[in-house]
Amino acid sequence: EPEVTQTPSHQVTQMGQEVILRCVPISNHLYFYWYRQILGQKVEFLVSFYNNEISEKSEIFDDQFSVERPDGSNFTLKIRSTKLEDSAMYFCASSETGAGTDTQYFGPGTRLTVL
Amino acid sequence: AQSVAQPEDQVNVAEGNPLTVKCTYSVSGNPYLFWYVQYPNRGLQFLLKYITGDNLVKGSYGFEAEFNKSQTSFHLKKPSALVSDSALYFCAVRPDYGQNFVFGPGTRLSVLP
Repeated sequence: EPEVTQTPSHQVTQMGQEVILRCVPISNHLYFYWYRQILGQKVEFLVSFYNNEISEKSEIFDDQFSVERPDGSNFTLKIRSTKLEDSAMYFCASSETGAGTDTQYFGPGTRLTVL
Repeated sequence: AQSVAQPEDQVNVAEGNPLTVKCTYSVSGNPYLFWYVQYPNRGLQFLLKYITGDNLVKGSYGFEAEFNKSQTSFHLKKPSALVSDSALYFCAVRPDYGQNFVFGPGTRLSVLP
């Protein structure tokens, strides 16, 4: 069964550094998403992406964040100048369509630790 | 504001007994309702969803959920719990006009042998 994959599984960085989190969505899916989960808190939506453009983003997704599909398979989340409060589990998801009825399939997550 | 509540942080049930994990929501319009499960060191796995039609939805691993529009609830159920069902369960709601999910805080289910 096809699945979403994410690398690395754990990333440790110093405050102020830039990190790039990588995701490979399911191959025939057209919509991609990033969510984050701060330890002990709920999963929060960051951004959705379709046709090489951001289609929706939350208040969390400010200028510090950017997303990109650099090639035909990868989908990346870049966090510039990381802050302590960026420490969280980051989940990538993909779906075949952007319809509200469509299921989003999640990757295993990248745990980001900012020191 | 849109919100999803899972009133129990933790649910304990004996193996073989029925289980219920509760979810209520406050979302405008006619939202779509989902349940996901998270095992340790794994991502969120899709269990089931309600879109329209029959209020009782059947999903993976013997789970089902009952949609109640008047109570704005979507409780997850299973007739006979297994120890392997022990995990973190998330209710998620998707407004019919948007793409992103609103997640509940999660309920940790422990099935005791």
